[in-house]
Amino acid sequence: GAGVSQSPSNKVTEKGKDVELRCDPISGHTALYWYRQSLGQGLEFLIYFQGNSAPDKSGLPSDRFSAERTGGSVSTLTIQRTQQEDSAVYLCASSLAGGESYEQYFGPGTRLTVT
Amino acid sequence: QQQVKQSPQSLIVQKGGISIINCAYENTAFDYFPWYQQFPGKGPALLIAIRPDVSEKKEGRFTISFNKSAKQFSLHIMDSQPGDSATYFCAASFYDKIIFGKGTRLHILP
Repeated sequence: GAGVSQSPSNKVTEKGKDVELRCDPISGHTALYWYRQSLGQGLEFLIYFQGNSAPDKSGLPSDRFSAERTGGSVSTLTIQRTQQEDSAVYLCASSLAGGESYEQYFGPGTRLTVT
Repeated sequence: QQQVKQSPQSLIVQKGGISIINCAYENTAFDYFPWYQQFPGKGPALLIAIRPDVSEKKEGRFTISFNKSAKQFSLHIMDSQPGDSATYFCAASFYDKIIFGKGTRLHILP
């Protein structure tokens, strides 16, 4: 079965440009999470979706960051007017919320470099 | 109250030795404690997990020890191998809320 996929795998963009990062969760997983991981650092929570709604957006670092999820499936994380400090790996995870566990399945990440 | 404190930040162990990583949590509502393993260039993957109704869980060379009264849990890797070199994250969750520790970079010397 397919796991969580993310695209693109690598993205290089110029400072000030907008970028869109995509996440395709595991089919049937209702919960979807976005994290940011700077080089050698831990997982910084950004936003959580349950279905198409986002009950927890507390981790979004600024109003330049937004995310949406459509059809309870694909999610897009958009960063407007990118800055060099946005350079990081952006990880997406999905979970079958409910049942006996809430194991998160992570995608391979998108490495974003802002020049 | 939502923090999960993980230590050490980095760890070097000889091949064949025991690697031990510790975590502590504050919120007693947490009811699921997973450990994730991350290799360079990859996303984290679930390694082993425990619920607070048991004090220990073992899967192969990996063991979680859980102390509910102290609100602490640890990962033990027995007979550590160079292939175990990775970053390890502990986590604590309740329903769909999960808090990760900051990670431990483990290096096993050949």
